[in-house]
Amino acid sequence: AQSVTQLGSHVSVSEGALVLLRCNYSSSVPPYLFWYAQYPNQGLQLLLKYTSAATLVKGINGFEAEFKKSETSFHLTKPSAHMSDAAEYFCAVGGSGSSASKIIFGSGTRLSIRP
Amino acid sequence: ETGVTQTPRHLVMGMTNKKSLKCEQHLGHNAMYWYKQSAKKPLELMFVYNFKEQTENNSVPSRFSPECPNSSHLFLHLHTLQPEDSALYLCASSQGTGPDQPQHFGDGTRLSIL
Repeated sequence: AQSVTQLGSHVSVSEGALVLLRCNYSSSVPPYLFWYAQYPNQGLQLLLKYTSAATLVKGINGFEAEFKKSETSFHLTKPSAHMSDAAEYFCAVGGSGSSASKIIFGSGTRLSIRP
Repeated sequence: ETGVTQTPRHLVMGMTNKKSLKCEQHLGHNAMYWYKQSAKKPLELMFVYNFKEQTENNSVPSRFSPECPNSSHLFLHLHTLQPEDSALYLCASSQGTGPDQPQHFGDGTRLSIL
């Protein structure tokens, strides 16, 4: 069965610092992986998607993620944090088999930005 | 309008009331979803519709009744709800239901049960 684990329920960084949000996946088949952001009082917004075309995936708002099969990881990074990046971030994996119509979401990591 | 629109954004209702949540997508997608998002709990998938047909019901209590009249509209009819049903209800859509299909979300309806 597919699953994702997000390490750290809360991450705090200073404005201008590197953002690193960690995600490890478990999958019985080559995975499709996603990162979403949920800004205050909004729904989830797709940041980027991995579909095996390239291991380094560039997304919107300066975010990128690197797929590492050997580490079963798909960590999200941004070189320089902005105050507007404060949000909840969800890693997700596409389902398989009888769950192929599902996206399985992680429990989320709340990102806070210090001035 | 673009994207996925949900109405109302906020809803307060008593346990004996009947109300409906509405979702409309302007993306030309064929699949639509209802999720429940509660504080400190993972996102819970409730229902999946593909080409207007329900394909998933994740053991949701019958007090939640979905309706999908066409691929662009999705409703969630509510009746005799419980306090634990207070949550953010999110609607999403995708082109198809394959595992590679990203879902596009609305901003949700914040539901409070008195």
